Amino acid sequence: DAGVIQSPRHEVTEMGQEVTLRCKPISGHDYLFWYRQTMMRGLELLIYFNNNVPIDDSGMPEDRFSAKMPNASFSTLKIQPSEPRDSAVYFCASINYPGTGLYNEQFFGPGTRLTVL
Amino acid sequence: GNSVTQMEGPVTLSEEAFLTINCTYTATGYPSLFWYVQYPGEGLQLLLKATKADDKGSNKGFEATYRKETTSFHLEKGSVQVSDSAVYFCALSRVDTGRRALTFGSGTRLQVQP
Repeated sequence: DAGVIQSPRHEVTEMGQEVTLRCKPISGHDYLFWYRQTMMRGLELLIYFNNNVPIDDSGMPEDRFSAKMPNASFSTLKIQPSEPRDSAVYFCASINYPGTGLYNEQFFGPGTRLTVL
Repeated sequence: GNSVTQMEGPVTLSEEAFLTINCTYTATGYPSLFWYVQYPGEGLQLLLKATKADDKGSNKGFEATYRKETTSFHLEKGSVQVSDSAVYFCALSRVDTGRRALTFGSGTRLQVQP
C-alpha cells in the first residue's frame, strides 16, 4: 500500500485566499484524522471521521475551517479565507480500529506545509 | 481533560550515549500510551506502545514502561546513533472510552552528534 497520501506537499498563498488540502487514507481504514502542527501549539487534533461521518470537530479553530469526507478514499480540509496565523504543517492520519479497548497503529501522511503570506 | 507533558528540547547527545526523554500524563481511566517519532520532512511513525500499567513497549532498542503510580512513560535507549536524530512525541489514547484520537505532547527534538 502507498500509505496515507496528502497533497500538495507545500502550499504558499496570500492572505484571504482559499486553500484546500487533500488526503487519501489507507484503503480499508475506517477512521481519518486531521492534525495541525505549529511551533507554538505543537500537534493539535482538528477533526476526525468514522466511516466518512465527522465525529469530533471540536478542534476546528473557527468557521473559516471546514472538512469533508465525501467517500472512504478522500477527504479535504478547506480554509477560507486564509490568514497568516494558519501557517502550519497539516497532517492527515488513518486507522483501522479493531474495537473498543484495542488499538491499531495510526498511520500519518507526510503532511502539507502551508504558508500564508 | 487528557494531557501529556514532555521534557523541553533539544536534547543533544554524542553517539553511543544513553538517552532518556521524560513524559508524564494526566488522564482519567485507563489510557494507552505511545511514543511516535518524526524524522525530518516526514510524518509521524509509531515507535512503541503500552496499553496497560507495568507494560513495557520496545522497538529498535528504545524502551518505555507504563508507570501508573507516577503517571509516566519515559523513553530510554542505551546507545543512540546519529540516525536516531528526530523529534519524539509522547501520546495517549483513551481506547477504553472509544475515543480514537491521540493527545500528543509538545515533542522533544533529539540531535545525536558523531
